[in-house]
Amino acid sequence: AQKVTQAQTEISVVEKEDVTLDCVYETRDTTYYLFWYKQPPSGELVFLIRRNSFDEQNEISGRYSWNFQKSTSSFNFTITASQVVDSAVYFCALKDNDYKLSFGAGTTVTVRA
Amino acid sequence: DTAVSQTPKYLVTQMGNDKSIKCEQNLGHDTMYWYKQDSKKFLKIMFSYNNKELIINETVPNRFSPKSPDKAHLNLHINSLELGDSAVYFCASSQGLEGYEAFFGQGTRLTVV
Repeated sequence: AQKVTQAQTEISVVEKEDVTLDCVYETRDTTYYLFWYKQPPSGELVFLIRRNSFDEQNEISGRYSWNFQKSTSSFNFTITASQVVDSAVYFCALKDNDYKLSFGAGTTVTVRA
Repeated sequence: DTAVSQTPKYLVTQMGNDKSIKCEQNLGHDTMYWYKQDSKKFLKIMFSYNNKELIINETVPNRFSPKSPDKAHLNLHINSLELGDSAVYFCASSQGLEGYEAFFGQGTRLTVV
């Protein structure tokens, strides 16, 4: 069974628009960790954030913000005032007690000038 | 100073050949991984080593054999390459097995012709 679902395959926005990427996860463990990674066109995977299951505080880092809601098993990611450099594939991932970092299928974000 | 480095970056080879991809991390991490990214960008774990011990061995053909000579290195050897092995292979490392974020190498694009 897929542990992480990113229902949006592709999102296209114009610069300065906000974009929200959805992530829904599934686990039976009470202790687990959620992550977001960015894969720009150059191909490397860049770590953005880690959240543990006991910390539901939302987080903001510059133009990036994350909304973690255990009640809906979601860990959504918002880019505010998007820029062309934000164009990338964004992956949500989950690690629970099987120690495997399981990735969602990714959402391709294209920001047009 | 590259944290996780893999070589080569590109590998083009004929069906039936044997090839190796090398990975080294200088982060002092205990855990290393191999991931495969297919043409649809889906990332799947192949192997995980912790302190040189194999922890995760996903459903991978036994033509794939990882080797960890020490904690800082995890190499991937592939025998009798097939067309379907064409993909991007990522090495990664993390502080430990549990909820630590993984840092990825730049990837090796393997093309089997």
